[in-house]
Amino acid sequence: QAGLTQPPSVSKGLRQTATLTCTGNSNNVGNQGAAWLQQHQGHPPKLLSDRNNNRPSGISERLSASRSGNTASLTITGLQPEDEADYYCSAWDSSLSAWVFGGGTKLTVL
Amino acid sequence: EVQLVESGGGLVQPGGSLRLSCAASGFAFSTYWMHWVRQAPGKGLVWVSHINSDGSITNYADSVKGRFTISRDNAKNTLYLQMNSLRAEDTAVYYCAREDNSLGDYWGQGTLVTVSS
Repeated sequence: QAGLTQPPSVSKGLRQTATLTCTGNSNNVGNQGAAWLQQHQGHPPKLLSDRNNNRPSGISERLSASRSGNTASLTITGLQPEDEADYYCSAWDSSLSAWVFGGGTKLTVL
Repeated sequence: EVQLVESGGGLVQPGGSLRLSCAASGFAFSTYWMHWVRQAPGKGLVWVSHINSDGSITNYADSVKGRFTISRDNAKNTLYLQMNSLRAEDTAVYYCAREDNSLGDYWGQGTLVTVSS
């Protein structure tokens, strides 16, 4: 099953802004929206933003999600050391009747 | 507090079977869709299967279709994944996750399945 496309890595400096992207098609991201998850090494994933771009309770306001066409984006402002992690997007694919993930982006905070 | 606790992982030979369980607590389990997601060592997240609240709807990734079966017992607040005809490429940490609008508003800690002779 085809997945969503994410850049493998992004590097930004401390207190800078990082924008992570996730590209799908009209059957998944474009129609269903995409959720964002963060995963630190050795830990389970944590939901950062649901497919309606809403942050769950307790998620920092430094994070914001958006979508334009078939591409979803996650913007993290004022980067902190704890933001260094792997970030995944996910979406329901209505043509596959399956959930699909992106390959993940490793965010490095310099 | 929402908790999801997986169990049942371990070492199994190729062609063997294993049943994973996910014990849920702290929420109305019978009203949520539930998922299994796996992650091979050093790799990304891969969706495996999901099941609706009453167990009448299931879907599977192509890679496990016909070999894995998802089920649930709402009386026991438990999600299951029966895995048959296991292959080396099924080696991964298996997570159960809850769906509330999106996949994975809560995740378990995962259970490791290793398929090897």
